[in-house]
Amino acid sequence: AQSVAQPEDQVNVAEGNPLTVKCTYSVSGNPYLFWYVQYPNRGLQFLLKYITGDNLVKGSYGFEAEFNKSQTSFHLKKPSALVSDSALYFCAVRDGWGGSYIPTFGRGTSLIVHP
Amino acid sequence: DVKVTQSSRYLVKRTGEKVFLECVQDMDHENMFWYRQDPGLGLRLIYFSYDVKMKEKGDIPEGYSVSREKKERFSLILESASTNQTSMYLCASNLGQGNEQFFGPGTRLTVL
Repeated sequence: AQSVAQPEDQVNVAEGNPLTVKCTYSVSGNPYLFWYVQYPNRGLQFLLKYITGDNLVKGSYGFEAEFNKSQTSFHLKKPSALVSDSALYFCAVRDGWGGSYIPTFGRGTSLIVHP
Repeated sequence: DVKVTQSSRYLVKRTGEKVFLECVQDMDHENMFWYRQDPGLGLRLIYFSYDVKMKEKGDIPEGYSVSREKKERFSLILESASTNQTSMYLCASNLGQGNEQFFGPGTRLTVL
């Protein structure tokens, strides 16, 4: 079975400060990991993914994420937050070893960047 | 750019009505998905289709059905709408198993 957890419902950060949105996962085999962002009244937009290779993945809008196999985590990061980064962020995982090929989504983390 | 469009952004229906939500993608994607999104619950998969006329139930299929007669179009049907189906409905598509999904803008359905 595959599962994903986003332990924080909300993250608050001041503009210009670094931000981290946390994600942990559980799979039987190797994970396929994704981050998406959702702005108000919009669909989700893909930010980045990890399938294999470098543990540090760079994505859209200056975001990056670090795959940590030992901690089963895939935290989303950005060195300097912008007010316009305020949105809902979703982590998703799919088990690369058999099982369902449909990803499981976390419940989402609301990021609020204060001016 | 991949484009996923949904027939309505906002929809208001009465209890007991039959409701059709349409989704169209323009990138020849094999897989299409219907989710509903509710506060605090994240995205829950209703149905999934991996080919024309093929479908699989997701986590919450009760009260819903789907149709995929053409590769680019995936319809979600609420046979008899109920108030607990008031939600945001999101359609998505992707090319293969390891690839990211592309989402439509969503349809906010209110059932009165």
